[in-house]
Amino acid sequence: DAKTTQPPSMDCAEGRAANLPCNHSTISGNEYVYWYRQIHSQGPQYIIHGLKNNETNEMASLIITEDRKSSTLILPHATLRDTAVYYCIVRVVTQGGSEKLVFGKGTKLTVNP
Amino acid sequence: DAGVIQSPRHEVTEMGQEVTLRCKPISGHNSLFWYRQTMMRGLELLIYFNNNVPIDDSGMPEDRFSAKMPNASFSTLKIQPSEPRDSAVYFCASSPRVAQYFGPGTRLLVL
Repeated sequence: DAKTTQPPSMDCAEGRAANLPCNHSTISGNEYVYWYRQIHSQGPQYIIHGLKNNETNEMASLIITEDRKSSTLILPHATLRDTAVYYCIVRVVTQGGSEKLVFGKGTKLTVNP
Repeated sequence: DAGVIQSPRHEVTEMGQEVTLRCKPISGHNSLFWYRQTMMRGLELLIYFNNNVPIDDSGMPEDRFSAKMPNASFSTLKIQPSEPRDSAVYFCASSPRVAQYFGPGTRLLVL
């Protein structure tokens, strides 16, 4: 699996957009970019995933560069409840079903009042 | 939907005892995963099943750990005998294909 690099920590003001970067320079053509987050003492939560097009859902937007070597997760209006560790993961999705995810250290996002 | 259900939520046991963790996946999901999380090692995959069949158990630490999925709605992770280094939070996750949905976890403390 391609490796990912994320900053260990970031801060954001409540109500502002949080932009979390991820580098995945060795990503291959059939690997998807996934984002999960883990709020303290809870299980990880799926946020969004994409292959090469930008994606948006009710939680966030995912911007993937044209060369696919990096991506940015955008939380458009961060709230205190968005304080969590955010994980960027790249992984192949096969016909056989969901594949295992390898979690790195992620980015600890702190949303400040 | 109730989400992934895990039991017990907390378990304290003594070294050498058998521990059984239980998981009920979300109905209709065909993949199930067991993860372990510690401060030192982070979140690690132990084993995963597709359609009740174990696909990859390379993350299972040793023979003391075993996992079963007798049907689509139930899985167990057993540790026998337990050791203090097994203390961790154990998560179960299920997936319909792409996204994985995690349970609340079981906090295990082995004294």
